[in-house]
Amino acid sequence: DIQMTQSPSSLSASVGDRVTITCRTSQSISSFLNWYQQKPGKAPKLLIFAASSLQTGVPSRFSGSGSGTDFTLTLSSLQPEDFATYYCQQSFSTPFTFGPGTKVDVK
Amino acid sequence: EVQLVESGGGLIQPGGSLRLSCAASGFTFSSYEMNWVRQAPGKGLEWVSYISTGGSTTHYADSVKGRFTISRDNAKKSLYLQMTSLRAEDSALYYCARYSRRTAYFDYWGQGILVTVSS
Repeated sequence: DIQMTQSPSSLSASVGDRVTITCRTSQSISSFLNWYQQKPGKAPKLLIFAASSLQTGVPSRFSGSGSGTDFTLTLSSLQPEDFATYYCQQSFSTPFTFGPGTKVDVK
Repeated sequence: EVQLVESGGGLIQPGGSLRLSCAASGFTFSSYEMNWVRQAPGKGLEWVSYISTGGSTTHYADSVKGRFTISRDNAKKSLYLQMTSLRAEDSALYYCARYSRRTAYFDYWGQGILVTVSS
């Protein structure tokens, strides 16, 4: 099974900050990496697919990069609605593992 | 509008069985692979199971293999998860999620249904 790690597990930031979250996989997954945002009491929402493609309707301040085993989600300028938990997920092979999540809260 | 609505959750004793359903609308259900993903209270997301468009191929997380069975009825536009030998650690919010091998991501999720395993 492919193991996923995310760092940091949590971070505190202010509106306007640039935020970077890293996801690492235990083996190469090419670009089969997706990012989701989840707010309390809500289902996850797809942000980025195939490592760097922005899902329709997602603001351009979100971006993704990476391939192989190392991936990054970047928020260029944090907005009030971006405080949430972010998960990476690999779709290279089953089990479709998720990272442990990164909680972004208010500094 | 794509909608996925889960049902069938509740409180169940350890060792018991429960069947979750997910009713789909707003898209051609038979054209999409489907999955179940769960989230224990205060925890992260855990993928549970996958089923192909026709139902002939299924995959399971090791934690549920042999106890859970995923199935679908394309005529009824419904996805199911039969859960048996339930354990306390199966307590979670269960989501159904649409998936396409072509795109390789979960693009639509239901609102989730709560399963609590406790005596």
